[in-house]
Amino acid sequence: VLTQSPGTLSLSPGERATLTCRASQSLRSTYFAWYQQMPGQAPRLLIYGASSRATGIPDRFSGSGSGTEFTLTISRLEPEDFAVYYCQHYGGSPSFGPGTRVHI
Amino acid sequence: QVQLEESGPGLVKPSETLSLTCGVSGYSIGSGFYWGWIRQPPGKGLEWIASIYHTGNTYYKPSLRSRVTMSVDTAKNQISLDLKSVTAADTAVYYCARIWDGFRGGQYYYYMDVWGKGTTVTVSS
Repeated sequence: VLTQSPGTLSLSPGERATLTCRASQSLRSTYFAWYQQMPGQAPRLLIYGASSRATGIPDRFSGSGSGTEFTLTISRLEPEDFAVYYCQHYGGSPSFGPGTRVHI
Repeated sequence: QVQLEESGPGLVKPSETLSLTCGVSGYSIGSGFYWGWIRQPPGKGLEWIASIYHTGNTYYKPSLRSRVTMSVDTAKNQISLDLKSVTAADTAVYYCARIWDGFRGGQYYYYMDVWGKGTTVTVSS
């Protein structure tokens, strides 16, 4: 089971965002990913393997962590970064966290 | 550039079967990769439903296994999903996605790297 915190994050453009995903048991990092979902749009892969940025993802997005705790950091929020972020892990079948909404 | 496009009926009556297709362009399904269906009920999070390899090997979410069938048509370059005996709880946006489930640079990875825009399905009489 994946849990994400906080559920909602209220920040301003230019600020740093730190999103956390925790698991009830240790996870394999290479099976861990982060997705961004803007309103009315499909999810977009941001980070795979816990820390590798997907193609075309700006370097203000970074992922870290291992074991039971993983973090997505957005170093300086841009207006287009206000969205919902989901973590995902594959442990025999894929599962998603409940999401963190980042809003202004 | 790989693109996925879902299509479906939009409205399905309770107890009927929901049938969706996902057309793939820019990549031949028969060349590899897993392909999946993920859904998102209104205002809620993402739920994986099923995955299929280009050879036809399928994997289903255990709680949906009895109602779901996923298939691949390499000639049409599309994947399909049938969900039978639908209820209001199956109302959702349904997405198809390409899944990387394999080795990359010596490490085994799993992630969904290309998504369709989704198709909205409402179950209602």
